[in-house]
Amino acid sequence: DGGITQSPKYLFRKEGQNVTLSCEQNLNHDAMYWYRQDPGQGLRLIYYSQIVNDFQKGDIAEGYSVSREKKESFPLTVTSAQKNPTAFYLCASSRGPLSYEQYFGPGTRLTVT
Amino acid sequence: EDQVTQSPEALRLQEGESSSLNCSYTVSGLRGLFWYRQDPGKGPEFLFTLYSAGEEKEKERLKATLTKKESFLHITAPKPEDSATYLCAVRLFSGGYNKLIFGAGTRLAVHP
Repeated sequence: DGGITQSPKYLFRKEGQNVTLSCEQNLNHDAMYWYRQDPGQGLRLIYYSQIVNDFQKGDIAEGYSVSREKKESFPLTVTSAQKNPTAFYLCASSRGPLSYEQYFGPGTRLTVT
Repeated sequence: EDQVTQSPEALRLQEGESSSLNCSYTVSGLRGLFWYRQDPGKGPEFLFTLYSAGEEKEKERLKATLTKKESFLHITAPKPEDSATYLCAVRLFSGGYNKLIFGAGTRLAVHP
């Protein structure tokens, strides 16, 4: 079955630690995205990548970093510089750079204490 | 400022009681409007894309419509399994690239 996988589903970290969230897709999609979802707010774009080895900052990139070394993978690192990292993180992909519908993974809930 | 507002924030319906969810937007250069369904603790599931005013899309008990300033998601004779948060997003060209702006969603609860 084609789809997007995110791991782990739940992640707990101490303040000051960097943490990497995994996102893998086997849909052969060119574009991939990371969003953050907080209660009562719409999804906000962190980073996006249109092709391998290329990515751009979204609206709230501060405190986050990404890489796109393979078409299938787009990991997100939440660094200690992110002031409020506790949130639900969603990875998505689309056939082209925002030209097509985005399909989402199941999400990772990160809790930092 | 580009903005997407969904109303109501929450809606409680009895099974079979039809209603509509609203998504209003103030954006320039709309390039499409999307509806998603999200179950608790899961990623959004794509439902519809609408591109131009007057367009309608249907899927089972759901019908999405689009005007120049808003979109409606009509739910006909809902069932408890329709309970979820429904998200609306608009695609526009801003800051040199295409982007999606999401509303905060409407939480729908359908009771038997």
